[in-house]
Amino acid sequence: QSVLTQPPSASGTPGQRVSISCSGSSSNVGNNTVNWYQQLPGSAPKLLIYSNGQRPSGVPDRFSGFKSGTSASLAISGLQSEDEADYYCAAWDDSLNGPVFGGGTKLTVL
Amino acid sequence: QVQLVQSGAEVKKPGASVKVSCKASNYTFTNYDLTWVRQAPGQGLEWVGWISVYNGNTNYAQRLQGRVTMTTDTSTSTAYMELRSLTSDDTAVYFCAREGQLNGSPFDYWGQGTLITVSS
Repeated sequence: QSVLTQPPSASGTPGQRVSISCSGSSSNVGNNTVNWYQQLPGSAPKLLIYSNGQRPSGVPDRFSGFKSGTSASLAISGLQSEDEADYYCAAWDDSLNGPVFGGGTKLTVL
Repeated sequence: QVQLVQSGAEVKKPGASVKVSCKASNYTFTNYDLTWVRQAPGQGLEWVGWISVYNGNTNYAQRLQGRVTMTTDTSTSTAYMELRSLTSDDTAVYFCAREGQLNGSPFDYWGQGTLITVSS
């Protein structure tokens, strides 16, 4: 059981916009910034979004992040086949004194 | 290009110990902290712990306290994660990741992962 809650799956067709939610509490998402990671099959995670909505250099602007209260979301516009991956949200947890992750969302591009 | 290269896969018996290495290159090793994250087969990501490469301070996940030790060797830019008294629940891919200097200290570079299999 992960501390942050994500839907186990999401899907869309090429060109569509999809959104993945991440729900937490006041000790994590509510009080700290949220990062998102993309994990392609058989690979290590890759930083996709940091500090709620910032993109590291090299990440396309098709990816965007948003946080409000104890929830966050990742949006992917102009969906492409190479976006098919697992996506994880993460935030520091003040009670656990460490970062916590969501359970991950498997994105399928139909 | 920043690189974190980890040691190879290992198979261990229950009760044994394992030590995974993570060699960093193309950045100043002592300027960035390192975190370890694990992923059981078909499961999500779980934080294992953190080490300050600068002063050696550590912070471990509560459920692994007493069984895990993280160290670094600044002369070789290598970090180590040792896990003792292994059980089948410790079977996972273990990743090292650098804590970036971006806002919120995200994990900006990751090692390729090391599969640790615990089996009798």
